[in-house]
This record gives sequence, C-alpha cells and structure tokens, in this order.
Amino acid sequence: KAGVTQTPRYLIKTRGQQVTLSCSPISGHRSVSWYQQTPGQGLQFLFEYFSETQRNKGNFPGRFSGRQFSNSRSEMNVSTLELGDSALYLCASHRDIYNEQFFGPGTRLTVL
Amino acid sequence: KQEVTQIPAALSVPEGENLVLNCSFTDSAIYNLQWFRQDPGKGLTSLLLIQSSQREQTSGRLNASLDKSSGRSTLYIAASQPGDSATYLCALGGTSGSRLTFGEGTQLTVNP
Repeated sequence: KAGVTQTPRYLIKTRGQQVTLSCSPISGHRSVSWYQQTPGQGLQFLFEYFSETQRNKGNFPGRFSGRQFSNSRSEMNVSTLELGDSALYLCASHRDIYNEQFFGPGTRLTVL
Repeated sequence: KQEVTQIPAALSVPEGENLVLNCSFTDSAIYNLQWFRQDPGKGLTSLLLIQSSQREQTSGRLNASLDKSSGRSTLYIAASQPGDSATYLCALGGTSGSRLTFGEGTQLTVNP
C-alpha cells in the first residue's frame, strides 16, 4: 500500500511570498494532520483535517491555513512568508482520531 | 499543558549493545503514545503505538512500555545495529483530539 506523499519536496521562496504544500494520505485514511519542525522549536502541531473540516488547530498565526478535499488530499498555505517560516513541514495520515499516525517525507521550505 | 522530555538527548553505543531510551510526560490524561524514528532530513517512521490501556508493545527487537501513573515510557532496543542510528521521538496523543505532542528526541549513534 502506498505511503503518504508530499509535494514538492523542496521549496525556496523569498520573504513576503506565499506557498502551497500538498499532502496525499494513505488510501482509506480520512484524517490529515500538519506539523512544523524546526531546530529551535522541534515538532509543533499546525492543524488537523477530517472529512474536509478542520477539526483541531495549533497555536500558529492566521498566515497558516489549510484545507482538505473530498478525496482526503490536503493542502496547507502560508502567506506573507517570514524568515522564521523556514522549516520541514510534515503531514501525517491517520484513519480517524486517536489512531496511529503515519508521516510523509516532508517538504523542506527555505525562506530567503 | 503537556510537556514531554526525552533523556538522554544523545547516546552513542557500540554495536550489539542493548539500550533504553526514556520519555517522560507531565499530564497522564493521554490516549496513546507513539514512538518514531527520524533519519536526517527525512520524515518520521512509526515504530510502535501504545494505547493508554496497554502497558507495553513489541515489534522485533523493539519493546516499548508505558506507565501512565509515573508519566514515563521507555523504548528498549535489543542487540543494536548501525542501521538503528537515527533520532528517536516519543509523541503523546491527548484526549482532546489527534494532536501529538512531541519530545525533543534522542539522537542515537550505533558504532560498528
């Protein structure tokens, strides 16, 4: 069974731009969660989507947003990029709440 | 607010040694605990999931235990191999949803 896929794998943007990251979950999984990983803050929860609805949200500014489509694929968007947004963005796929989470390879975002 | 601590931050052992990684948490109201490994620049690989009602889980050379009353989990790796070299992360699933709270990780190096 195919794992979680994330595209693109690498991105370089400049401050003030916006970016969209994509995540395709494991077939049959309806939940997608997003995390940001940085050397200073570690792994931090961004938000979770289930059946096209945001079910849970972390403590990030409104510049970070997401959505989920009817096929469970999810996108996250970061607007007005800042240098501090440089990070590895990981998405996790799971069947439903409280189930085991499976992570994708991540998207490495560099903001110059 | 859940806080997760992993000790030690780094560990270097010779090949063949048995070892224990520790994870402690402050809030025992958890739903599950998951152990992951992360290779440099890569995503997270799920190793073991322990539900809050369980005391331990085993997979091959790995054994994870959970003691909610003391706020501790351990990951035991038997007969370590150089391929086990990675960062090991524990993550707590709380009762309010699928949000995982991560520790900072233990960076393991197994020397041939």
